[in-house]
Amino acid sequence: GAVVSQHPSRVICKSGTSVKIECRSLDFQATTMFWYRQFPKQSLMLMATSNEGSKATYEQGVEKDKFLINHASLTLSTLTVTSAHPEDSSFYICSASSGDREDGGYTFGSGTRLTVV
Amino acid sequence: AQSVTQLGSHVSVSEGALVLLRCNYSSSVPPYLFWYVQYPNQGLQLLLKYTSAATLVKGINGFEAEFKKSETSFHLTKPSAHMSDAAEYFCAAGYNQGGKLIFGQGTELSVKP
Repeated sequence: GAVVSQHPSRVICKSGTSVKIECRSLDFQATTMFWYRQFPKQSLMLMATSNEGSKATYEQGVEKDKFLINHASLTLSTLTVTSAHPEDSSFYICSASSGDREDGGYTFGSGTRLTVV
Repeated sequence: AQSVTQLGSHVSVSEGALVLLRCNYSSSVPPYLFWYVQYPNQGLQLLLKYTSAATLVKGINGFEAEFKKSETSFHLTKPSAHMSDAAEYFCAAGYNQGGKLIFGQGTELSVKP
C-alpha cells in the first residue's frame, strides 16, 4: 500500500534554532501535501496545503515565514520550523494525496514530535 | 461553515462489548467521509471510507460505518471490542477528492478487560 515516510520521528532543539521535517511518498506521486499540527488530546489542525512546484497555501493564523513549506518534487515535501520557540513544541503530521486510490486518497506520515527547549 | 462533530470525547467499553462512535457532518452535499485511528505518537491509519458507492462501509479490524444522509451521520461500529482497539478515533470529511479534510474533535476509546 501507499506509504509516506516522515522523519525525524522525534526531535529536540534549542530555542532560536530551525528544524526541518521531511515527508517522502515512497510508492506514489504526492501531488498535494497537507501539513498538520496536533496538540495533546486534540484534533489535527491543518497548517498548510502544498502542491508540487507551487507555493503553499497557509491556513488563517499560520505564519508562513515561520513555517516554511517546500514541495519541490512529487515525492518530497518539507516543513521547516524557523527560529523555534517552546510554544512551537507539538506533534506535526504530513498527509499526501494523489487522487483516488484504494486507501481513500490520503496517506499520513507517522508524525514528528518536536520539543523546543 | 463545513464542520464535523464527534459526540463524546471519550468512550469506554468493556472487552467484547459493542463499540459505537458517533460522527455527524454539516453539509447538504454528501461528502467523502473517513474514519481514522491514531495510536499514541503515531500518524493516522485509515479504517474505512465512504464515497457514495454503498451506504454501509466495511473497514479493517472488524469496523464498519453506515452513511445516513437524512441524519447527516456516519457512525462507526464494531460488534465486539478488543483491547487493541483502545486508541483515538477521528472522523473526517472531504468535499473534494484529494482536497483538504475537515476533522472532528476525536474520540478516545478505552477498552476495559
